[in-house]
Amino acid sequence: DAKTTQPPSMDCAEGRAANLPCNHSTISGNEYVYWYRQIHSQGPQYIIHGLKNNETNEMASLIITEDRKSSTLILPHATLRDTAVYYCIVRVRNNAGNMLTFGGGTRLMVKP
Amino acid sequence: NAGVTQTPKFRILKIGQSMTLQCTQDMNHNYMYWYRQDPGMGLKLIYYSVGAGITDKGEVPNGYNVSRSTTEDFPLRLELAAPSQTSVYFCASSYGPTTEAFFGQGTRLTVV
Repeated sequence: DAKTTQPPSMDCAEGRAANLPCNHSTISGNEYVYWYRQIHSQGPQYIIHGLKNNETNEMASLIITEDRKSSTLILPHATLRDTAVYYCIVRVRNNAGNMLTFGGGTRLMVKP
Repeated sequence: NAGVTQTPKFRILKIGQSMTLQCTQDMNHNYMYWYRQDPGMGLKLIYYSVGAGITDKGEVPNGYNVSRSTTEDFPLRLELAAPSQTSVYFCASSYGPTTEAFFGQGTRLTVV
C-alpha cells in the first residue's frame, strides 16, 4: 500500500493561497490521490481527488507531479473557516471497496 | 437528504457493558464504513460493507461486530466495553469504490 507523508502543521495568512504538500513516492499506477479535511472533530469532508491530471473544483485545486510521487492541494484564498486537519490519502485498491486509510494529516492554521 | 446520521452523539459506558452505535444513510450508497479516531490521531477503519449482507474487517476489528441487513443501516456493536474503546466513532458511506465518502458527525464514546 502506498503511504503518504505530510508536514504535521502549516500556517497561512487569511486571503492568501494555502499550498499543502503530500509525498506518496510508492504510489502505484492505478491508485488515486484523495484529499479530505476535518474541522474541529467533525466528520471528515471530501475535498478533491485525482489520478494523474490536475483537478479543480469549487473548493480547491489538486496538482499531481508528472511522476505521481507527490501532490499539492491548493486553497486559492484561505479563510479562517479553512482551519482544519487536511488528510492526503492514497486509495488502497482491492476487490471489496474503497479503503480510505487516514494518516496524521497536516494541521492548517489560517491566521487573520 | 439527511446524508449519514449517527446516534447517539455522546455515550458513557461502564466496563463490560454493551451497546450499539447506529448509522443510517439516505443516499442509497452501497458502501458503508466504521472508523474510530483516538485523540490527536487519524481515523482507523474498523469494519466496512460493500452491500446488504456483506461485511468485512478493517484495520482494528477486535471487540466490535457489524451487520448490514439493509442498504440504509450499518450498526456497530460493542460487546464487553473496555477503556481502550474510548474514542470518537465515525460512520461513512459512498456510492462506489472510488467516489467520495460522506461522513456522519460522530459518536463520542467514553468507557469508564
